[in-house]
Amino acid sequence: SAVISQKPSRDICQRGTSLTIQCQVDSQVTMMFWYRQQPGQSLTLIATANQGSEATYESGFVIDKFPISRPNLTFSTLTVSNMSPEDSSIYLCSAERQGANEQYFGPGTRLTVT
Amino acid sequence: SQQGEEDPQALSIQEGENATMNCSYKTSINNLQWYRQNSGRGLVHLILIRSNEREKHSGRLRVTLDTSKKSSSLLITASRAADTASYFCATVGGGGNKLTFGTGTQLKVEL
Repeated sequence: SAVISQKPSRDICQRGTSLTIQCQVDSQVTMMFWYRQQPGQSLTLIATANQGSEATYESGFVIDKFPISRPNLTFSTLTVSNMSPEDSSIYLCSAERQGANEQYFGPGTRLTVT
Repeated sequence: SQQGEEDPQALSIQEGENATMNCSYKTSINNLQWYRQNSGRGLVHLILIRSNEREKHSGRLRVTLDTSKKSSSLLITASRAADTASYFCATVGGGGNKLTFGTGTQLKVEL
């Protein structure tokens, strides 16, 4: 298994500002992912964080709004840029080892934009 | 959207009863997984069933998969109050690692 931590656990931000969420895995993993979970809803994949190269974004998500970094095999960041109240969600990162067929999830970052 | 549908959306049962949740999906899959999410927490992987499997067991969990109907079910036997959580199915398509989540079932197990 893998233990994943996220910082911050929650934040309240003003519209128009940006927030960077950090995701740390306790061991090297192949794949890292970022999801959004709006209140009372399911998870939607934002992007796959690729180590050493640009992230792969899903339809409806763009790099200018959600820039992602992954400098090494255990760490990634997601920035939510120029926030609006519609960005209020839980943001979760996950990780998967090659061939594991199982993703391990962080506890999530609960973001409220006012 | 390829998101699957789960039913029921919410389920309330008494401790000791069995809970069954159903998941339907839209495209061909490599495997289907079930996750649990306790309130305000991250997700925990429960069980994976591959597209060439029809049934799988893990402890009190039983998962079935019918690829002809594009559906799966999760059965939790002898439920406990600690099973109270949201349960999500998630599919993985051919050649990829990406999870596409269903809409989820909120299970409440009452004492």
